[in-house]
Amino acid sequence: KAGVTQTPRYLIKTRGQQVTLSCSPISGHRSVSWYQQTPGQGLQFLFEYFSETQRNKGNFPGRFSGRQFSNSRSEMNVSTLELGDSALYLCASSSGLQSSYNEQFFGPGTRLTVL
Amino acid sequence: GDSVTQMEGPVTLSEEAFLTINCTYTATGYPSLFWYVQYPGEGLQLLLKATKADDKGSNKGFEATYRKETTSFHLEKGSVQVSDSAVYFCALSGRNNAGKSTFGDGTTLTVKP
Repeated sequence: KAGVTQTPRYLIKTRGQQVTLSCSPISGHRSVSWYQQTPGQGLQFLFEYFSETQRNKGNFPGRFSGRQFSNSRSEMNVSTLELGDSALYLCASSSGLQSSYNEQFFGPGTRLTVL
Repeated sequence: GDSVTQMEGPVTLSEEAFLTINCTYTATGYPSLFWYVQYPGEGLQLLLKATKADDKGSNKGFEATYRKETTSFHLEKGSVQVSDSAVYFCALSGRNNAGKSTFGDGTTLTVKP
């Protein structure tokens, strides 16, 4: 099976702009989660989508949003970019079933730099 | 809320040394526990997992045992190699929040020849 893919791998934006990141999960997986990774804050959960519905949400401002399509692909959007949004954004997919065996499979990440 | 506390790094070892990275957690109920590894420039890879008390996860010579009484999930390897150099993350996932994992801060391991 192909792994989780994320595009683009690298992005450079300026403050005030908006950005859209894309994630394609493993075939058959219905859950896609997004995480922000920074040296100072570590790995922080943004949100999770399951069958096109947001199922879980972390503590991020409304500038961070996401969606999931019927083929389980997901996008996340950050509007009005701030310098502090510079981070590695990781997408993870899983079957999404509420079971104790539900490990997540991560993509390589999108490195976002805000200037 | 849920939280994971990892041993602070960085950790530097010589090849063939014994490795322990401590991990303790706070969670309601009975979460699943994981160790992930991240190599430079890459995403996270699942290293091992345990889903109930006293379960032992193992992979590539690494082991960790789910200890409910001490709320711990320490990672061990008997003989590390240079190729084990990476960042290691302990994580948990609640049974009713399967798509949301809580991670520790990560421990950077460097193994010298």
